Amino acid sequence: EVQLVETGGGLIQPGGSLRLSCAASGFVVSSKYMSWVRQAPGKGLEWVSLMYAGGGTNYADSVKGRFTISRDNSKNTIYLQMNGLRIEDTAVYYCARGSSRSGYFYYYLDVWGKGTTVTVSS
Amino acid sequence: SYVLTQPPSVSVAPGMTARITCGGDKFGLQTVHWYRQRPGQAPILVIYYDSDRPSGIPERVSGSKSGNTATLIINRVEAGDEADYYCHMWDTSSDHWLFGGGTKLTVL
Repeated sequence: EVQLVETGGGLIQPGGSLRLSCAASGFVVSSKYMSWVRQAPGKGLEWVSLMYAGGGTNYADSVKGRFTISRDNSKNTIYLQMNGLRIEDTAVYYCARGSSRSGYFYYYLDVWGKGTTVTVSS
Repeated sequence: SYVLTQPPSVSVAPGMTARITCGGDKFGLQTVHWYRQRPGQAPILVIYYDSDRPSGIPERVSGSKSGNTATLIINRVEAGDEADYYCHMWDTSSDHWLFGGGTKLTVL
């Protein structure tokens, strides 16, 4: 079964650091686009970061320079290292898999985890 | 920066048709995807590449795109369709993924 399971959320003070993990099963993360998407309380979805199959990365302007996406192929796991956390980073963080039809450039998110909650508060 | 605009809410009676729009400045050749999110749950994909349906999504759910507006159409609306719906696309100018602000579908 194709599945994503996020862990690592919690309560953290402003300025602190946290690392989220996303363990995949049923497919190989290194062959797919993998993304983090977050949702602040009562708000909509916000794309955070993307790791391309080739290993390149991309970030939303709101987190660039503070967050780092990475992967461990041996563990089939994606990570999001979050530094310099701000109150506005409080959200449920979802891990999602990007897929595309053969020959198509554009990707859609076809598998989502249940999310892990990050609360930044003093 | 590029923005995808959705109506905050749409209300429809059971059995009727719901239409949720997603507007952008310049869709061009870019494709739009749609997600449904029920309260307390993760989003799921309901339409990709403007009008394709993943397995498990009923035929009464469809999508279309014309000019700078994409539309999610849900025929014969049921109580279980009540959820938030988000459009999603790739912004080639910034190489970023974008989501619309979301539309809350209420079944009266």
